[in-house]
Amino acid sequence: KQEVTQIPAALSVPEGENLVLNCSFTDSAIYNLQWFRQDPGKGLTSLLLIQSSQREQTSGRLNASLDKSSGRSTLYIAASQPGDSATYLCAVQAAGNKLTFGGGTRVLVKP
Amino acid sequence: DADVTQTPRNRITKTGKRIMLECSQTKGHDRMYWYRQDPGLGLRLIYYSFDVKDINKGEISDGYSVSRQAQAKFSLSLESAIPNQTALYFCATSAPDRSPDTQYFGPGTRLTVL
Repeated sequence: KQEVTQIPAALSVPEGENLVLNCSFTDSAIYNLQWFRQDPGKGLTSLLLIQSSQREQTSGRLNASLDKSSGRSTLYIAASQPGDSATYLCAVQAAGNKLTFGGGTRVLVKP
Repeated sequence: DADVTQTPRNRITKTGKRIMLECSQTKGHDRMYWYRQDPGLGLRLIYYSFDVKDINKGEISDGYSVSRQAQAKFSLSLESAIPNQTALYFCATSAPDRSPDTQYFGPGTRLTVL
């Protein structure tokens, strides 16, 4: 059974500092890995999707890496802003289009 | 207008009551999903449907049932609600003809069972 873990569970940084969020998974037989952002009262928004054959994806200040063999992904957010405060979830997708989610990292960026 | 909508957004009910959560989508997707989220546990799959005639149990289907009334509508029912079903419930949709098959989430329904 696939298990996804996110460490730390919560993170607080001053504005301008780079954010590093970690995700690990137990079964490397995945199709892709996704990073989502969750804001209170709103649904999940997909930030980045990395196919199993890829090493990383970038979108603006966001960069996500994937090391499938070691079961790890890292989301980097450069020059954090207060608007980056949210919960970040990673999820791996395997056969049957099922997503297995980690518990999330709650991020607070202080002005 | 939002592509994936959920009603109600918030609901407080009592133990033993029957509850229905509804999900509608305008994305024209065939696949729909119901998840629940508990603090620190991420989202867990309850049921999913790949088309109107297809219903599948997910990881935690006990105590829940679903109905796929149309391509655009997927309802989740709690026949006899219990307090440990207090959670945030999300509906999602996806399109199998797209690669990758990204899921799009509704805003969630916060359910409290007293």
